[in-house]
Amino acid sequence: NAGVTQTPKFQVLKTGQSMTLQCAQDMNHNSMYWYRQDPGMGLRLIYYSASEGTTDKGEVPNGYNVSRLNKREFSLRLESAAPSQTSVYFCASSTNNYGYTFGSGTRLTVV
Amino acid sequence: GENVEQHPSTLSVQEGDSAVIKCTYSDSASNYFPWYKQELGKGPQLIIDIRSNVGEKKDQRIAVTLNKTAKHFSLHITETQPEDSAVYFCAGGVDYGGATNKLIFGTGTLLAVQP
Repeated sequence: NAGVTQTPKFQVLKTGQSMTLQCAQDMNHNSMYWYRQDPGMGLRLIYYSASEGTTDKGEVPNGYNVSRLNKREFSLRLESAAPSQTSVYFCASSTNNYGYTFGSGTRLTVV
Repeated sequence: GENVEQHPSTLSVQEGDSAVIKCTYSDSASNYFPWYKQELGKGPQLIIDIRSNVGEKKDQRIAVTLNKTAKHFSLHITETQPEDSAVYFCAGGVDYGGATNKLIFGTGTLLAVQP
């Protein structure tokens, strides 16, 4: 009954460091998404994956890369972190767009 | 692309009163409009959704209405309770009936229900 699991929950990075945010779902959903949430900006789509083996850019993809490792896992990578990437990151999954299931988020601070 | 605007950004009501949150969308092709509730420190959770072939949908104390002509939809919460206090997000997108659809979210409404 896990749903969507994100790791880590919290992370502090120095400018220029790299890291990968992990996301896994156990609901056999086809589609997965990465959003970032900033105060006053709502949820903005970074990248999404319609199905295993495909990925597409969302509204704010610059500075990020993704990998759809298999049907369950969708990771988000920051190659060279910048303070502007300080945010809360949410992973979500869905099947045929019948509602997203979100993870509990990763709070990232870049100093 | 789709753009979703949401108002108000904050809303304070007395317990037992009704709350209404409004959203507008820009893409006439959009046909799927979910609402999410986000409690502090948690991810958003789907509370109700509506498709463009329906004008209104109810689920106990919450309801959503859709006006396709005007391109706006609203969330109505009646008999509000303190546990309704949260951030609410609207979203819009295109449901191709099998193909994926990326949802575009509004900026959120912080609802505070005063006891």
